[in-house]
Amino acid sequence: GAGVSQSPSNKVTEKGKDVELRCDPISGHTALYWYRQSLGQGLEFLIYFQGNSAPDKSGLPSDRFSAERTGGSVSTLTIQRTQQEDSAVYLCASSFLEGEQFFGPGTRLTVL
Amino acid sequence: DQQVKQNSPSLSVQEGRISILNCDYTNSMFDYFLWYKKYPAEGPTFLISISSIKDKNEDGRFTVFLNKSAKHLSLHIVPSQPGDSAVYFCAARRGSNYKLTFGKGTLLTVNP
Repeated sequence: GAGVSQSPSNKVTEKGKDVELRCDPISGHTALYWYRQSLGQGLEFLIYFQGNSAPDKSGLPSDRFSAERTGGSVSTLTIQRTQQEDSAVYLCASSFLEGEQFFGPGTRLTVL
Repeated sequence: DQQVKQNSPSLSVQEGRISILNCDYTNSMFDYFLWYKKYPAEGPTFLISISSIKDKNEDGRFTVFLNKSAKHLSLHIVPSQPGDSAVYFCAARRGSNYKLTFGKGTLLTVNP
């Protein structure tokens, strides 16, 4: 399809395990964003990639969170030693430069 | 510190009537505002936006009003249709800054 895709759609893990969430942005989009939505909250900015520039990691809540974007396309968000408070829907978005952000369907992460 | 607030978690209206969704913000540096619509299990989709140099923007059944002095914006949907039932998020940003700050969302239910 032509939209942003994310995998897996759902992930259940045990506290302390590491998880990887994947995002495939729209082809040709230069910017990629990660957000998360915890229960009853709005979307919270996590990290931003734009072309070859250094990513803006200012929204990452702790050093257990990291993300990379390979070849200017696919991105992986990694959460190490997951905690119950990491349970949320993780949303990826992409845009051309700083234009309209198109969101993927999200990955629902549940940490038991 | 929540900079974008949607104080009504839910709203229910009859089909054909007007839906008014409200949003308040605290950061006077915000100068661009967006509304996103989200269906269950899907990512948010862009609906309409407004720049701070305007006080109204209209797109079909959707109109956004901005009151800068009150730091308040609203989304009007008229006439409301059952397919409009979704969660609506208000978002704001500063200048060309890519970071969007989101409210918690309002669940709109349009009853047939």
